Amino acid sequence: EPEVTQTPSHQVTQMGQEVILRCVPISNHLYFYWYRQILGQKVEFLVSFYNNEISEKSEIFDDQFSVERPDGSNFTLKIRSTKLEDSAMYFCASETGNNEKLFFGSGTQLSVL
Amino acid sequence: LAKTTQPISMDSYEGQEVNITCSHNNIATNDYITWYQQFPSQGPRFIIQGYKTKVTNEVASLFIPADRKSSTLSLPRVSLSDTAVYYCLVGDDNTDKLIFGTGTRLQVFP
Repeated sequence: EPEVTQTPSHQVTQMGQEVILRCVPISNHLYFYWYRQILGQKVEFLVSFYNNEISEKSEIFDDQFSVERPDGSNFTLKIRSTKLEDSAMYFCASETGNNEKLFFGSGTQLSVL
Repeated sequence: LAKTTQPISMDSYEGQEVNITCSHNNIATNDYITWYQQFPSQGPRFIIQGYKTKVTNEVASLFIPADRKSSTLSLPRVSLSDTAVYYCLVGDDNTDKLIFGTGTRLQVFP
């Protein structure tokens, strides 16, 4: 079965630093998502992306966050100035767009110190 | 406003059938119902999706009554490896914002 690939699996950073989380969605998928999950809590929607622009975003996705699809394969989430509360597991997901199932990556565990 | 409501947790034993019910009183006409499974430190994984009546695949069945205000995920003969959190989501093909609820934590005992 095709997979969504995320790198790195773990990222440790200092508060105030910028981080970029990387994702390679499944090649024929058109819709891309970022979710996050704080330890012990539910999976939270951050942003969806289609046709090279954001289609939906949550209240969590403030000016510190940005997403980009710099080439035909990668989909990145940038946090400009990390805060302690940004520590979480970040999941990338993709789908074809025809109300098909979301495929999730294995996540990037971000720890902000 | 929460779109779905599920029990917080359930316990079962190996070999039993488990039924997890989700309430979605405000489901819209175009909404589909989708269930995901999540193991610790892993991304959610699609289990099954349906619109009405009954859907069955190799791992589960999904029962949806005529009013569609609830749905039941049925896992036949669970094993220890089915211990996970199960999420019910509703959304239509115009929704780019699928929202996860708190899910149901299923614990399977030997």
